[in-house]
Amino acid sequence: QSVLTQPPSVSAAPGQKVTISCSGSSSNIGNNYVSWYQQLPGTAPKLLIYENNKRPSGIPDRFSGSKSGTSATLGITGLQTGDEADYYCGTWDSSLSAGGVFGGGTKLTVL
Amino acid sequence: QVQLVQSGAEVKKPGASVKVSCKASGYTFTSYGISWVRQAPGQGLEWMGWISAYNGNTNYAQKLQGRVTMTTDTSTSTAYMELRSLRSDDTAVYYCARFLWFGELFYGMDVWGQGTTVTVSS
Repeated sequence: QSVLTQPPSVSAAPGQKVTISCSGSSSNIGNNYVSWYQQLPGTAPKLLIYENNKRPSGIPDRFSGSKSGTSATLGITGLQTGDEADYYCGTWDSSLSAGGVFGGGTKLTVL
Repeated sequence: QVQLVQSGAEVKKPGASVKVSCKASGYTFTSYGISWVRQAPGQGLEWMGWISAYNGNTNYAQKLQGRVTMTTDTSTSTAYMELRSLRSDDTAVYYCARFLWFGELFYGMDVWGQGTTVTVSS
């Protein structure tokens, strides 16, 4: 059971847009920055979004992040077959057992 | 270029210890932290903890307290993660990642190692 809740899977056709949600609480998302990671099959995770909505250099603007209250959302537009991957949200949890936390991951299928 | 290169795969027996290394290059090692994240077969990411390469301060996931130790060697820009009393459910791919912690805020993990497979089996 992950601290952050993501849908197990989402799907959309090439060229379409998809959003992936990440739900938490006031001790994590509500008071900390959210980051998003893409993990292609058999590879290490890759940072897509940091500080809620900022993209590292080299990440196309098809990827966007937003946060509202205790939830965050990753958006991907102009879907490509190469976007098929697992996507994870992550943040810091400031509760008594303070530490990093991840969502359970969302498998994106580009139909 | 900025990169983290990890040590090779390990096979250990239950009860043993494993020590994984993570060599950084392309940036000032002591200006960032290093975190460790593991992924069991077919499962999601699990945060294990992080260490400040500046002062050696650590923060470990509660479930691993007492079994994990993270250290750094600033002379070689290398971070280490040792896990003791290994069990079968410690079988996983272990990743190191550059940990962006500034002003008591966590921004993300922007550079990842290639992963080290640790298999625990009798």
